[in-house]
Amino acid sequence: QKEVEQNSGPLSVPEGAIASLNCTYSDRGSQSFFWYRQYSGKSPELIMSIYSNGDKEDGRFTAQLNKASQYVSLLIRDSQPSDSATYLCAAGPNSYDKVIFGPGTSLSVIP
Amino acid sequence: EAQVTQNPRYLITVTGKKLTVTCSQNMNHEYMSWYRQDPGLGLRQIYYSMNVEVTDKGDVPEGYKVSRKEKRNFPLILESPSPNQTSLYFCASSSGWAGERHTQYFGPGTRLTVL
Repeated sequence: QKEVEQNSGPLSVPEGAIASLNCTYSDRGSQSFFWYRQYSGKSPELIMSIYSNGDKEDGRFTAQLNKASQYVSLLIRDSQPSDSATYLCAAGPNSYDKVIFGPGTSLSVIP
Repeated sequence: EAQVTQNPRYLITVTGKKLTVTCSQNMNHEYMSWYRQDPGLGLRQIYYSMNVEVTDKGDVPEGYKVSRKEKRNFPLILESPSPNQTSLYFCASSSGWAGERHTQYFGPGTRLTVL
């Protein structure tokens, strides 16, 4: 059974701090990795994708991938109350298959 | 505006009464999926479709049917709904699958309650 695991949280950080979200995946064949943000009652929204080992930065967000450790993380710098949401990690194959989502980590940024 | 639409957004029904949730996308995407989201379980794929008349089961297909007669539409059918199908349902579409580095765009969700 292919799995993606995340700490469910809630993770609470003060405004302006760095929020660190972690994810592990079981399928070594996974090649594509995604972070989605989901506000309560809303649909998931893609915020980062990463395909190669190392770091990928986009504004305040940095995704990190370590395929040897089967580990993906998302760092949010200068966290804002508007970042309070559930963050879904997803892993996808490089074949005709489907993306597997983790259960999500709830983040709360305290003003 | 590029979007995925779902209808209805909210539905309360009774056990055994057939229902259809519609999904439509205006981006000419080949790939469409249905997910259900339950607390603590995340998004689980029900069915997906790679193109017209091509569908396949996801992780939790039992109790659901789909069809893909047109590229833009991918309805989800519950022929005999049961209370364990009470959930939040999302339709998604993309121009390819994950391996081709195409991302999924999600509809607004349908909250279904089966009494």
